[in-house]
Amino acid sequence: DQQVKQNSPSLSVQEGRISILNCDYTNSMFDYFLWYKKYPAEGPTFLISISSIKDKNEDGRFTVFLNKSAKHLSLHIVPSQPGDSAVYFCAASETNFGNEKLTFGTGTRLTIIP
Amino acid sequence: DTGVSQDPRHKITKRGQNVTFRCDPISEHNRLYWYRQTLGQGPEFLTYFQNEAQLEKSRLLSDRFSAERPKGSFSTLEIQRTEQGDSAMYLCASSYDRMNTEAFFGQGTRLTVV
Repeated sequence: DQQVKQNSPSLSVQEGRISILNCDYTNSMFDYFLWYKKYPAEGPTFLISISSIKDKNEDGRFTVFLNKSAKHLSLHIVPSQPGDSAVYFCAASETNFGNEKLTFGTGTRLTIIP
Repeated sequence: DTGVSQDPRHKITKRGQNVTFRCDPISEHNRLYWYRQTLGQGPEFLTYFQNEAQLEKSRLLSDRFSAERPKGSFSTLEIQRTEQGDSAMYLCASSYDRMNTEAFFGQGTRLTVV
């Protein structure tokens, strides 16, 4: 049972335009959400996160939006740059005073076209 | 470099052999996680340590897998009698011991069982 879903395996965007990556989840106990970026042969790198008490969090070119009623979150990258080409993973966890293990989606490969 | 360090980066082993991987987390981090990633999938949780105590193991972690974190610092993951299905990227992550905090990943160990 895939509790975190990224339904778009790939996405191509022109340099300078907005990239929008989507993620859906089914577990209503999830209350902390993260986006990681991964280059080939490297571990995931943390990008941005959002707690369920918020609906938006912004960090430079990256903004994450959370729609709790729809169990949906999205990552906006604007403007997109060639260095943004990577696989992006959405992840979720339950707030815990200890183990906050992450449940990941299957990833979306983003390609920025120069 | 004060990031999460994993060794080796690559391991090729014959089926039936035992392998051991090492993870050195960020020194101030009390929490340590192991994940496994196979092709086309996101990382999947294997096990969690709070300091030296192993507090959760996924059902993915069969009896052939064992993990330790002596003295609450580095951790090892051992796979006994490797099988071809064990071929994957093994990722270690660490985080601070506080709520809603991001985990930092190492570069992973790529295991190939032939």
